[in-house]
Amino acid sequence: AQSVAQPEDQVNVAEGNPLTVKCTYSVSGNPYLFWYVQYPNRGLQFLLKYITGDNLVKGSYGFEAEFNKSQTSFHLKKPSALVSDSALYFCAVRDEDEGRRALTFGSGTRLQVQP
Amino acid sequence: KAGVTQTPRYLIKTRGQQVTLSCSPISGHRSVSWYQQTPGQGLQFLFEYFSETQRNKGNFPGRFSGRQFSNSRSEMNVSTLELGDSALYLCASSLLAGGLNTGELFFGEGSRLTVL
Repeated sequence: AQSVAQPEDQVNVAEGNPLTVKCTYSVSGNPYLFWYVQYPNRGLQFLLKYITGDNLVKGSYGFEAEFNKSQTSFHLKKPSALVSDSALYFCAVRDEDEGRRALTFGSGTRLQVQP
Repeated sequence: KAGVTQTPRYLIKTRGQQVTLSCSPISGHRSVSWYQQTPGQGLQFLFEYFSETQRNKGNFPGRFSGRQFSNSRSEMNVSTLELGDSALYLCASSLLAGGLNTGELFFGEGSRLTVL
């Protein structure tokens, strides 16, 4: 079975400060990991993914994520937050051993960046 | 390249009615997935279609159904609507490599259904 957890409902950060949105996962095989962002009344937009290779993945809008196999985590990071980064962020996972299964999403973390 | 298109964007129905939502995937994408998003339950997987065949199905009652056409466009139908069906219904398309889902999903803007 595959599952993903986002332990924080909301993260508050001041503009210009670094931000981290946490994600942990559980799979039987190797994970395929994704981050998406959702702005109000919009669909989800793809930010970045980890399939294999370098543990630090760079994505859109200056975001990056670090894959940590020992801690089963895939935290989303950005060195300097912008007010426009305020949105709902979803982590998602698919188990490599269950390639035909649908993507499983976390419950989402609301990021609030204060000016 | 045009993105995923969902229609209608907003609709209001009353309990007991039925609704059909439409999704046109990105050109060349043959896999279409549907998700229900609610504040309490988050993103819940409904079903996935590939080449007109249902590949995966989530844990939803039989009132929720879908289909895919030969041009990869997909529809989902909800019959006998309940208040709890009020949600944002998201469609996503993707490429499949060798039948395996290794790539990201591309989402539409969603269809917001309100059931009164």
